[in-house]
Amino acid sequence: EAGVAQSPRYKIIEKRQSVAFWCNPISGHATLYWYQQILGQGPKLLIQFQNNGVVDDSQLPKDRFSAERLKGVDSTLKIQPAKLEDSAVYLCASSLDLVTDTQYFGPGTRLTVL
Amino acid sequence: GENVEQHPSTLSVQEGDSAVIKCTYSDSASNYFPWYKQELGKRPQLIIDIRSNVGEKKDQRIAVTLNKTAKHFSLHITETQPEDSAVYFCAASMKTDKLIFGTGTRLQVFP
Repeated sequence: EAGVAQSPRYKIIEKRQSVAFWCNPISGHATLYWYQQILGQGPKLLIQFQNNGVVDDSQLPKDRFSAERLKGVDSTLKIQPAKLEDSAVYLCASSLDLVTDTQYFGPGTRLTVL
Repeated sequence: GENVEQHPSTLSVQEGDSAVIKCTYSDSASNYFPWYKQELGKRPQLIIDIRSNVGEKKDQRIAVTLNKTAKHFSLHITETQPEDSAVYFCAASMKTDKLIFGTGTRLQVFP
């Protein structure tokens, strides 16, 4: 079974620039999550999609972060403009349906903002 | 909202010894408690989970216990091996709510 795919794996940008991350979940998984993992901390949920609808985006900094899952499959997360404190690993995960179904994580995108 | 505390932040054990990591949660409505293992530079991987209708679950050398009254749950690894060295995260959620992760425990197993 193919896992969750993410790209790029690494990205270095300067502050105030824009960046976008892509995620392809496991086939058939209805629920997709974007997490931010700052070094030395646990993952923090940014946004959760159920098919193409947003279930929870309460911790997404909406003034600079946006995400979409237009066809209920792939998703993109965008940061515009980036700040130094956005340096982190951005993890995408998917689960069959509910939050309490096993969440499978992608390899993550390591973002460095200079 | 839910808050998850995890202890200790680092744990060093000798190969063959047992390791125990403890987490407490704040929301009594939480009913799902997974544990993830994350090796350096890699993705978190689920190693075991427990739901609130059971008190203990075991999978080979790994076990998790849940005390709903005290709102804490623990990960037990027996006969530790060097390949168990990683960061372990606990998490808690309600059925329709997001997973809240603990701050992680760095486990080092010395041969």
